[in-house]
Amino acid sequence: DAGVIQSPRHEVTEMGQEVTLRCKPISGHDYLFWYRQTMMRGLELLIYFNNNVPIDDSGMPEDRFSAKMPNASFSTLKIQPSEPRDSAVYFCASSPGAEHTYEQYFGPGTRLTVT
Amino acid sequence: AQTVTQSQPEMSVQEAETVTLSCTYDTSESDYYLFWYKQPPSRQMILVIRQEAYKQQNATENRFSVNFQKAAKSFSLKISDSQLGDAAMYFCAVVRVTYKYIFGTGTRLKVLA
Repeated sequence: DAGVIQSPRHEVTEMGQEVTLRCKPISGHDYLFWYRQTMMRGLELLIYFNNNVPIDDSGMPEDRFSAKMPNASFSTLKIQPSEPRDSAVYFCASSPGAEHTYEQYFGPGTRLTVT
Repeated sequence: AQTVTQSQPEMSVQEAETVTLSCTYDTSESDYYLFWYKQPPSRQMILVIRQEAYKQQNATENRFSVNFQKAAKSFSLKISDSQLGDAAMYFCAVVRVTYKYIFGTGTRLKVLA
């Protein structure tokens, strides 16, 4: 398996623009997670899905952030409008959910810079 | 609320020596899982080792082992025969059956040649 795939790897945008980050989980994994990593706040869980349904979005910082999972093989995290404080590395991770192993497998991350 | 504390922001170890990274956590749950993840400069998060809280036996994966003290809520990672490729940030994490991970702030490990 190719692992969790994220695109783009790097994104530079101007304040006020819409940003869309994409994720393809490992095939057969029932859970998908979006994280944000910054120096100040460390690794934060933003939202996670089970079988394409959002389960917990309490970590989404504000209404400018939205996430969707239209099918089992694709998810997006959208920021509209973007702000400089959104600059971070965004990780997508997936988990098989089988046998309650709770192991998560991370993608390579998207480094977002908002100027 | 769950918390995970890694009190060592940075550690150094000589190549081929052994180093232990500390992690303590706080949870009121009885059923949970503990993980160590490694993040090298490439920033890819890599699973190192897993421990189920209901198991008394400490997990081991090759040169990596844990010292799990459930009563003390401690979960340290021991790296034996350290190699240059072990240099990375190491994150401790706890997860309940809800799948919601709580990560520590990380320990940066430097391996000296």
